[in-house]
Amino acid sequence: GENVEQHPSTLSVQEGDSAVIKCTYSDSASNYFPWYKQELGKRPQLIIDIRSNVGEKKDQRIAVTLNKTAKHFSLHITETQPEDSAVYFCAASRGANSKLTFGKGITLSVRP
Amino acid sequence: DAGVTQSPTHLIKTRGQHVTLRCSPISGHKSVSWYQQVLGQGPQFIFQYYEKEERGRGNFPDRFSARQFPNYSSELNVNALLLGDSALYLCASSSQGAPYEQYFGPGTRLTVT
Repeated sequence: GENVEQHPSTLSVQEGDSAVIKCTYSDSASNYFPWYKQELGKRPQLIIDIRSNVGEKKDQRIAVTLNKTAKHFSLHITETQPEDSAVYFCAASRGANSKLTFGKGITLSVRP
Repeated sequence: DAGVTQSPTHLIKTRGQHVTLRCSPISGHKSVSWYQQVLGQGPQFIFQYYEKEERGRGNFPDRFSARQFPNYSSELNVNALLLGDSALYLCASSSQGAPYEQYFGPGTRLTVT
């Protein structure tokens, strides 16, 4: 089955700097890659996603890039703010109405 | 529109007992999935239901079962609870119009003692 790995497991950046979180996946049939943000004690919140027919997607300060050949995708956060501090999960699925396979999560800390 | 709702918020059970968790999807969403999130890990897929039929099952023992009702709400049942079942149980729903995106509820925190 699908295996999704995230690295690093923790990331600390200075406020205003950029943060990049990388994920790799194993199933070449996966074609949908969402990113979720989970603050302590709260639900995972979908922040951005990408499908395999595009290489990059941006939404204000966040962007996701996908390299299907290398089977990896990355989350980019620019101009980080303290409220960006949270656990970020990447996931992969085979598409519509398919299960999500999650990575173990990365704890991002933004230092004021 | 209300988001995905789950009940109860917290639950404490004893080993060997049975538990029922409930989920109401976003209005108009017909697909419901259940995930287990152990502390410090990503959510792990348990079940998916679409139009009241099971569409997928993760690698969980038969002690776990679920169903979806005509109004698209869903129940997750766990029998013969083990200490290792202690986790946050998350429900997610998705719509026909955007079947890729799954939106999570706040979860039920289950503690087994």
